[in-house]
Amino acid sequence: AQRVTQPEKLLSVFKGAPVELKCNYSYSGSPELFWYVQYSRQRLQLLLRHISRESIKGFTTDLNKGETSFHLKKPFAQEEDSAMYYCALSASGSARQLTFGSGTQLTVLP
Amino acid sequence: DAGVIQSPRHEVTEMGQEVTLRCKPISGHDYLFWYRQTMMRGLELLIYFNNNVPIDDSGMPEDRFSAKMPNASFSTLKIQPSEPRDSAVYFCASSSRVMSYNEQFFGPGTRLTVL
Repeated sequence: AQRVTQPEKLLSVFKGAPVELKCNYSYSGSPELFWYVQYSRQRLQLLLRHISRESIKGFTTDLNKGETSFHLKKPFAQEEDSAMYYCALSASGSARQLTFGSGTQLTVLP
Repeated sequence: DAGVIQSPRHEVTEMGQEVTLRCKPISGHDYLFWYRQTMMRGLELLIYFNNNVPIDDSGMPEDRFSAKMPNASFSTLKIQPSEPRDSAVYFCASSSRVMSYNEQFFGPGTRLTVL
């Protein structure tokens, strides 16, 4: 069975500082990995997926298959980045099912 | 498309009462998921459907919870009888097998408070 762990429930950084949200996963195969974000009073929505290798809102992902980690990074945090972030995994052949981590609430302080 | 629609947005009820949450997925999507969100446990998958058929209900907490999907555009999650520990935000999400990657689209959620 697959598992996703986000070790930090709460994370606070100052505006302009780098931010890294940690995610570790356990799965024996090759998963699809995602970061979802929920801004205040908005719907949970997809932020990034590992396969796209793109940057969204200045965020990038760092997949380390050896350490089974999939961290989310941004070099200079902005106040509008404050939100709940969820790491998620889709196992191969899982018929669209996602396993979510417990989430990290990021607060960017002015 | 208005996206995934959920109703009600807020529900306050007393312990022992029946609660019914409703969801309308995005038109054309063939997967529907019900999640529960709490501070302690984060986002938990309760059940999901494919083409209106329940595929995995292993996340449903107990027999008090039931879910149905009578057609492609409507699903319900029912709690009977409700208990204070059921207080949470319940999300519905949908997705399509046509998409090349597994993105789920979430509704706004129903905030349930059981007194």
